Amino acid sequence: DTGVSQNPRHKITKRGQNVTFRCDPISEHNRLYWYRQTLGQGPEFLTYFQNEAQLEKSRLLSDRFSAERPKGSFSTLEIQRTEQGDSAMYLCASSRDGGYEAFFGQGTRLTVV
Amino acid sequence: QKEVEQNSGPLSVPEGAIASLNCTYSDRVSQSFFWYRQYSGKSPELIMSIYSNGDKEDGRFTAQLNKASQYVSLLIRDSQPSDSATYLCAVKGYSTLTFGKGTMLLVSP
Repeated sequence: DTGVSQNPRHKITKRGQNVTFRCDPISEHNRLYWYRQTLGQGPEFLTYFQNEAQLEKSRLLSDRFSAERPKGSFSTLEIQRTEQGDSAMYLCASSRDGGYEAFFGQGTRLTVV
Repeated sequence: QKEVEQNSGPLSVPEGAIASLNCTYSDRVSQSFFWYRQYSGKSPELIMSIYSNGDKEDGRFTAQLNKASQYVSLLIRDSQPSDSATYLCAVKGYSTLTFGKGTMLLVSP
């Protein structure tokens, strides 16, 4: 069990650029979640996948954000035309189906300058 | 809208004391309840899960669930300075996992 892996760990980008983050879940987990966390706040739900199907997206999620999980394995989260307000920690978690525990990766810290 | 409420703290306790952290949730169909610990600049780490009413103990940690009152709590016995962190309550229904804003715990030597 290698745990949930996220890359890169840190990303600094200029406003207006596109960025893409990758998440590799625990191998037998078919649910994958993306969250965003800013200082002093709890993780804010962005979207989740069951296998390759994206089943739910937050209504707060701008159309500049898109996520994929091809073949139900790793997932990518892309942010287009980044804004300074996108600066945050982006967290990925995975779990088995149902009410089981979700485990987080190390996160990707995005700084938009 | 699903909500999970926690007192933001900080909750300050002396070393060796019992720390009590509380959480309420709004969605009655919630089925699973979790406590995560998060150190500054790090990602959340799962420390407890609880699925049915009552108490669940794991080492120095005890989680308590009361579904009728929509209330979850975490007790940390013999608190250590290394327990100083933010504790996140999370609630899972049929799909998403919803977090509270977290309670900061400070354990002084």
